[in-house]
Amino acid sequence: EAQVTQNPRYLITVTGKKLTVTCSQNMNHEYMSWYRQDPGLGLRQIYYSMNVEVTDKGDVPEGYKVSRKEKRNFPLILESPSPNQTSLYFCASRFRADFAGGGYTFGSGTRLTVV
Amino acid sequence: AQTVTQSQPEMSVQEAETVTLSCTYDTSESDYYLFWYKQPPSRQMILVIRQEAYKQQNATENRFSVNFQKAAKSFSLKISDSQLGDAAMYFCAYSGGGADGLTFGKGTHLIIQP
Repeated sequence: EAQVTQNPRYLITVTGKKLTVTCSQNMNHEYMSWYRQDPGLGLRQIYYSMNVEVTDKGDVPEGYKVSRKEKRNFPLILESPSPNQTSLYFCASRFRADFAGGGYTFGSGTRLTVV
Repeated sequence: AQTVTQSQPEMSVQEAETVTLSCTYDTSESDYYLFWYKQPPSRQMILVIRQEAYKQQNATENRFSVNFQKAAKSFSLKISDSQLGDAAMYFCAYSGGGADGLTFGKGTHLIIQP
């Protein structure tokens, strides 16, 4: 089944403890991205990647890192999480980096709580 | 930068009736794509319908249709014969023709009254 897999689905952590949220897609998609969803704000893009070793900042990149060493994987790294990073996170991918018309496939989301 | 505005934080409709969710956007691009996503309580993001800006014909998917007014930069979603399973958050989203990702509106919470 074609899908985007995120792990974990739920995570509670403490301030300052480094964590990684994994994202993997099995559709050979070029483009992958991370979003955070907060009440009343909709979804906002954190980082995106147009291909292996090519990443760039989205609208809210502060406090996050990403890497794209393989085409299928795009992990989101919080090196020193803070409570304001408590949010619902989505990974999404699309087939071509230069064409959005094919639509996006979303992961199931990761609910992160930082205490 | 592109912006997407959903002016209705919450809408309520009787089962079997029709409801329209509004969305406006701002862009200077001529080639772009518009989407409506549904997010039920399971929080999964489900694509409802998409529209290519270069197509004048409004997209339709079963009970879901859009009214795309390119000059007015308006992209409303009409749900006909509303069903209980339609209850969810609905997000309008914009994606440009290049490396841009999705720009989302803040969402409309749709309530279906039995």
